[in-house]
Amino acid sequence: GAVVSQHPSRVICKSGTSVKIECRSLDFQATTMFWYRQFPKQSLMLMATSNEGSKATYEQGVEKDKFLINHASLTLSTLTVTSAHPEDSSFYICSARQGSGEKLFFGSGTQLSVL
Amino acid sequence: GQQLNQSPQSMFIQEGEDVSMNCTSSSIFNTWLWYKQDPGEGPVLLIALYKAGELTSNGRLTAQFGITRKDSFLNISASIPSDVGIYFCAGQLGAAGNKLTFGGGTRVLVKP
Repeated sequence: GAVVSQHPSRVICKSGTSVKIECRSLDFQATTMFWYRQFPKQSLMLMATSNEGSKATYEQGVEKDKFLINHASLTLSTLTVTSAHPEDSSFYICSARQGSGEKLFFGSGTQLSVL
Repeated sequence: GQQLNQSPQSMFIQEGEDVSMNCTSSSIFNTWLWYKQDPGEGPVLLIALYKAGELTSNGRLTAQFGITRKDSFLNISASIPSDVGIYFCAGQLGAAGNKLTFGGGTRVLVKP
């Protein structure tokens, strides 16, 4: 299957700092990428849909100024958690859609811990 | 919004046993996907189902797309230790940005 690379895999930061997470499709072009958040022992919650060359679409309750998404190329989307606080600590996962197909391929996730 | 009810929430397996889990929805989906997630990793796609009634296998895994388009099941035959993990079903309507709706997950553990 298609490969999606997510970096970093783990980050620890101080409260108030900003953290950037990268999601790359390595062997295909992804016009659409998705960002999820997952709390321990829970399912994945969609945060936003990232479209190449246009603004991201955020799910209800997700602050767009808090979670900045940039999808500047067909192979890269970034999620920036601005002014992170301990309650932002979570596992963040991206996924990418290959072409117009239904299959979504996931990155390996980023564990964010805010002290 | 749409909700997927996945059951069981957790189960213990003994090597060699068959495992079964299912998802039901309050509304229809056009695609059902099954994923497995290991600790600290992203989900890995196991099986994709595109048509009501479709039965698809991938090695020891078999999944079916319910005829009503509101449910799906996943079977694992002759389980082995590496089958341990969390299995998620996901439904997709299709045209609406291809967003996935995930079930709550089934945690598969090894019997002590």
